[in-house]
Amino acid sequence: GAVVSQHPSRVICKSGTSVKIECRSLDFQATTMFWYRQFPKQSLMLMATSNEGSKATYEQGVEKDKFLINHASLTLSTLTVTSAHPEDSSFYICSARDKGQWTEAFFGQGTRLTVV
Amino acid sequence: SQKIEQNSEALNIQEGKTATLTCNYTNYSPAYLQWYRQDPGRGPVFLLLIRENEKEKRKERLKVTFDTTLKQSLFHITASQPADSATYLCAPLKSSASKIIFGSGTRLSIRP
Repeated sequence: GAVVSQHPSRVICKSGTSVKIECRSLDFQATTMFWYRQFPKQSLMLMATSNEGSKATYEQGVEKDKFLINHASLTLSTLTVTSAHPEDSSFYICSARDKGQWTEAFFGQGTRLTVV
Repeated sequence: SQKIEQNSEALNIQEGKTATLTCNYTNYSPAYLQWYRQDPGRGPVFLLLIRENEKEKRKERLKVTFDTTLKQSLFHITASQPADSATYLCAPLKSSASKIIFGSGTRLSIRP
């Protein structure tokens, strides 16, 4: 089946620094990618939707200047958490939808971000 | 505003029994509804999709129903096993281009 690779799986950074998370679709073209964050024992909260070659669409309440999303190619999207703070610590998950098969979305393994 | 609710935060049942999870939605009319499984520390995995014109969909021990009048989907796992223990998420979609927004999730535990 289709594979989405997310990297890194875990990252610890200092407050004030930026962290980049990569999401790659390995064997399909992903015209649309989604970024989620998940707090312990809570469901996934959609942060933004990105389409290849265009600006991401952010959900209400998500700061676009803080969470920079780039979807430069059909197989790669990146999320950069800028000027990270401890409250940004969370589990971030990307998802990709296959251009030719939209009925399901494929998820990365997630990135555990800890800001100290 | 659109709202997606899943019946209970946690559900504990005996191995071998049928687990039934509920997904209710309000303030919109999805044409499709997806169910996913999520294990701790992992991303969700797609299980089933049901369309609005389908009353029921089956896949091995899984069965999903979709009642657009009640605005509800039921997800059943028959002959449940401890390996079925996970969080299950529903995601109603208006169209094939819709963003995927999940319900609150139900944490299912199957005890031996």
